[in-house]
Amino acid sequence: AQSVTQLGSHVSVSEGALVLLRCNYSSSVPPYLFWYVQYPNQGLQLLLKYTTGATLVKGINGFEAEFKKSETSFHLTKPSAHMSDAAEYFCAVSGTASKLTFGTGTRLQVTL
Amino acid sequence: GAGVSQSPSNKVTEKGKDVELRCDPISGHTALYWYRQSLGQGLEFLIYFQGNSAPDKSGLPSDRFSAERTGGSVSTLTIQRTQQEDSAVYLCASSRLAGAWNTGELFFGEGSRLTVL
Repeated sequence: AQSVTQLGSHVSVSEGALVLLRCNYSSSVPPYLFWYVQYPNQGLQLLLKYTTGATLVKGINGFEAEFKKSETSFHLTKPSAHMSDAAEYFCAVSGTASKLTFGTGTRLQVTL
Repeated sequence: GAGVSQSPSNKVTEKGKDVELRCDPISGHTALYWYRQSLGQGLEFLIYFQGNSAPDKSGLPSDRFSAERTGGSVSTLTIQRTQQEDSAVYLCASSRLAGAWNTGELFFGEGSRLTVL
């Protein structure tokens, strides 16, 4: 079975500041990990994914995430926040089952 | 179509009524998923289709919920005798291959917001 824990339902950062959204997972098999973003009144879209290989993965809009097996983490980062990054972010894990298990989401607020 | 299409976008119904939510996936996508998004609850898996069959329907909350898919394309999620706790956004997603890790991507529709009064 797989599960995901996202720490912090709301995160607020200033424009230009570092963005760090935390995700920890639990999986009985080697996980595949994903971050999805949901802008207001839109569907979710894939930001980035880790399947195998390099543990630091880069996604769209300057986001990246690092898979750390020892910490069972897959935190999302962006060096400099932009107002357009305001959205809800979901971490997800997939194992052998044909579905993604999502976390409860983190709403990112970017202030001037 | 270009993306996953869901209808209706908004549905207000009275407690006890039946509702049908429709999902039209991206053409050629064989896998189709239904999720429910409730405030503060994240995304809750409901059911997964591969073609017209549903190998995993473990997330359906009760026997009031059912779903079908015909022609390997359009899917309908039906909620019978709706209750107030059914109020949520119902999201449909599709992918080209079974198993999201193959493509690493589910394509989501904008959802159907259901409000049960």
